[in-house]
Amino acid sequence: DVQMTQSPSSLSASVGDRVTITCQASQDINNYVNWYQQKPGKAPKVLIYGASNLETGVPSRFSGSGSGTDFTFTISSLQPEDIATYYCQQYDNLPYTFGQGTKLEIK
Amino acid sequence: EVQLVESGGGLVQPGGSLRLSCAASGFTFSAYAMHWVRQAPGKGLEYVTAISSNGGSTYYANANSVKGRFTISRDNSKNTLYLQMGSLRAEDTAVYYCARGYCSSISCRQDYWGQGTLVTVSS
Repeated sequence: DVQMTQSPSSLSASVGDRVTITCQASQDINNYVNWYQQKPGKAPKVLIYGASNLETGVPSRFSGSGSGTDFTFTISSLQPEDIATYYCQQYDNLPYTFGQGTKLEIK
Repeated sequence: EVQLVESGGGLVQPGGSLRLSCAASGFTFSAYAMHWVRQAPGKGLEYVTAISSNGGSTYYANANSVKGRFTISRDNSKNTLYLQMGSLRAEDTAVYYCARGYCSSISCRQDYWGQGTLVTVSS
């Protein structure tokens, strides 16, 4: 199985800050990465697909980049409603494995 | 409106069985692959299993050793996805989510999720 190593596991930032989360795959997965947001008690929601494509309706402050084995997820200006846990996921090979998650908190 | 509604979770003893259901509406169920993803209390997301749109192909994750214990199936005439779980262990305790698999020319992703159903394996 492809392993997705996500960091950091938790992050505290202030409103308006730029926030970056990284994910490293155990093998080349092209750009086959999705990013999900999960708020407490809720199901995950896809934000970014194909490493850099914004899902319909998702604010433009969210973005993604990368290819091969290294991927980045960015929130350009953190908002209070962005408090959640974020997960990367690869879909190059089944099983579509997830990273360990990054819990984002407001400082 | 796309809706996925899971049911069938609950408390079960170790070694027991349980069948989860996921009722789909608001889209052509038979046109989409479907997935089960679980989340143990306080833990991250764990991919469990998937089934193709016509039910002809299934996939089970190896890492969590559900293969041989869990069976995914679907009834396209009833717009319902199932997960038959057997020989349950404490480590299977989790919220189980069903999710629709959407694939385009550039991506495959789980674009709609149910609210989840909690399975607790305990004596």
